[in-house]
Amino acid sequence: AQKVTQAQTEISVVEKEDVTLDCVYETRDTTYYLFWYKQPPSGELVFLIRRNSFDEQNEISGRYSWNFQKSTSSFNFTITASQVVDSAVYFCALSPPSSASKIIFGSGTRLSIRP
Amino acid sequence: SQTIHQWPATLVQPVGSPLSLECTVEGTSNPNLYWYRQAAGRGLQLLFYSVGIGQISSEVPQNLSASRPQDRQFILSSKKLLLSDSGFYLCAWSKGAGAYNEQFFGPGTRLTVL
Repeated sequence: AQKVTQAQTEISVVEKEDVTLDCVYETRDTTYYLFWYKQPPSGELVFLIRRNSFDEQNEISGRYSWNFQKSTSSFNFTITASQVVDSAVYFCALSPPSSASKIIFGSGTRLSIRP
Repeated sequence: SQTIHQWPATLVQPVGSPLSLECTVEGTSNPNLYWYRQAAGRGLQLLFYSVGIGQISSEVPQNLSASRPQDRQFILSSKKLLLSDSGFYLCAWSKGAGAYNEQFFGPGTRLTVL
């Protein structure tokens, strides 16, 4: 099965706290790509990161970091020192070659940052 | 640079009326194009995708149809809207058929069927 699970439906934290969004995926492909997207209240999805399944090195971009663990099929996203502007719905997604041109999205995690 | 446009931004239509949503991409050629629907508070549902002019793949049997009359134009249509067609419709494009190609999304159309 090709599937992405974001078990956390909603998360609410106080500003400046660190928060981790979980993502677990299933795929029969040995090569695949993983993505994270952000959907702010305006609605448009914004691409955040792409990760190749061969590259397990963690990535950091400013306050954002991603932890890819192939052994546990997880691709978690951490926001450090959260800000109100981080409030959005975040989607994790999987793109395996066997799915042709399609990306498989998780159901999303709604993150609310309280001032 | 590439941009993707959708219109209209919002639409309120009565049940049984027709629908036409348009999506165009600028700054690239031969993109893959996608239509998604997002019900209120829910995830993304892939409706259609196209790898070329006149080539449409349908993911979910439904009241909607899609067409790609030009390379960078993707249209979502319905002959008779249902209440369940309400939602947020997103168009997206990607550079090609490779799994590594991220999708870029348009601003969306919020459709309310009354």
